[in-house]
Amino acid sequence: GQSLEQPSEVTAVEGAIVQINCTYQTSGFYGLSWYQQHDGGAPTFLSYNALDGLEETGRFSSFLSRSDSYGYLLLQELQMKDSASYFCAVPGSARQLTFGSGTQLTVLP
Amino acid sequence: EPEVTQTPSHQVTQMGQEVILRCVPISNHLYFYWYRQILGQKVEFLVSFYNNEISEKSEIFDDQFSVERPDGSNFTLKIRSTKLEDSAMYFCASSEGGISTDTQYFGPGTRLTVL
Repeated sequence: GQSLEQPSEVTAVEGAIVQINCTYQTSGFYGLSWYQQHDGGAPTFLSYNALDGLEETGRFSSFLSRSDSYGYLLLQELQMKDSASYFCAVPGSARQLTFGSGTQLTVLP
Repeated sequence: EPEVTQTPSHQVTQMGQEVILRCVPISNHLYFYWYRQILGQKVEFLVSFYNNEISEKSEIFDDQFSVERPDGSNFTLKIRSTKLEDSAMYFCASSEGGISTDTQYFGPGTRLTVL
């Protein structure tokens, strides 16, 4: 089976940098994805890491260490609109995603 | 930009009734999925569908659930006899099926309320 652990809540101020960690246990590993979800909205894809290292997409970066079964999402220059839930997720053999429980990010002015 | 659409946005039903949730995936995508999210909880996988058949299903997806792609555009989820615990947001998603990355694009969801 698959399980993912991530912090339930993170709070930061506008303009700051925040890191959301995710550790996983999987029976087979194909990569680690990150999704953003605003209240009542659909999950929106942010990034995907199949190999070790850092992937950068604008203000968002994602890191993966397969040997440590660990990844993180880094959000820079935080904006109020970044307040949302962030989920790490792993695909299975049939591409189905198993999601973590989500991290509620609150950005304060 | 192409997007996944879902109808209805909100469905209220009585326990024991059948409901059909509808989705139109992105047109060139090959893989289709249903997920659900109970209020305040994580997104949970229900079923994946490829080449006109189920490729994987979770423990949640029991005999009360079925999926269908009745034509070239629609993808439906049917719950035969709804229970109170089926109340949740149901998301449809689709993906191209690429090799290195296979981003799933989610629809806006259908909020199902079972009374």
